[in-house]
Amino acid sequence: GQQVMQIPQYQHVQEGEDFTTYCNSSTTLSNIQWYKQRPGGHPVFLIQLVKSGEVKKQKRLTFQFGEAKKNSSLHITATQTTDVGTYFCAGPVLGAGNNRKLIWGLGTSLAVNP
Amino acid sequence: IAGITQAPTSQILAAGRRMTLRCTQDMRHNAMYWYRQDLGLGLRLIHYSNTAGTTGKGEVPDGYSVSRANTDDFPLTLASAVPSQTSVYFCASSDQGTGELFFGEGSRLTVL
Repeated sequence: GQQVMQIPQYQHVQEGEDFTTYCNSSTTLSNIQWYKQRPGGHPVFLIQLVKSGEVKKQKRLTFQFGEAKKNSSLHITATQTTDVGTYFCAGPVLGAGNNRKLIWGLGTSLAVNP
Repeated sequence: IAGITQAPTSQILAAGRRMTLRCTQDMRHNAMYWYRQDLGLGLRLIHYSNTAGTTGKGEVPDGYSVSRANTDDFPLTLASAVPSQTSVYFCASSDQGTGELFFGEGSRLTVL
C-alpha cells in the first residue's frame, strides 16, 4: 500500500553539527507536511510544502520538496539542544471511498549532545 | 488560548472496563482525528470525522468507536479495554481534510 519512509530512524549529533532527515513516498503527494514532537509532548506543525521543487526556510531549518513530489527533506543547520525531538513528515493520499487521508512517516528522533 | 483539550491526561484501567477519552476543540474545525502513538510504530489513525455527523475508520479502528454529535466534540470509546490498547492517544483537528493538523496534549492510557 501507500507508505512514507523516513530515514534515519535515529540521529545523535553534537551541538553545532548539521542534521538532515529524509522522507520518501511510494506515491506522488499533493503536498507534504512536517511536524516536530518534543519528548513527552504532542506533534506540532512546522510547515507545508506544495510546489514541486519548493524550498522553504525557517531560521536554521530548511525544507525541500522534490521535483517529482515524492520525497522531501528537513535540514537543520548548527543544531541546538532545543532541536531535540522527533520529526515527522506526512502527506495526503486518496483512501477508501475517495477520502483523502494523511499518511505518516515513522519519524526521525534527534538527540543533541551539548 | 484556542486549541484542543483532551481528558484525561493519564489513566490506568483494568482490562475489560469501558473507557471514553474526551476531545474538545474551539477552533470550529470541520475535521477531527484520533491517533494512537506507540514506540516504533509512529502515529496510527484510529478514526476520523470530516464533519459533524459523519465518522470514518482509520488504520486501526478495531476495539474503538467514536461519535461526532457536534463540531467541537469527538470522544473516543474503548468498549472493553485490552492491554494492547495501552498507548498514548492524540486527538487532532484541521480546518480542512489533510490540512495542517492541530494536536491535543495527549492521553496516556495503561490497560492492565
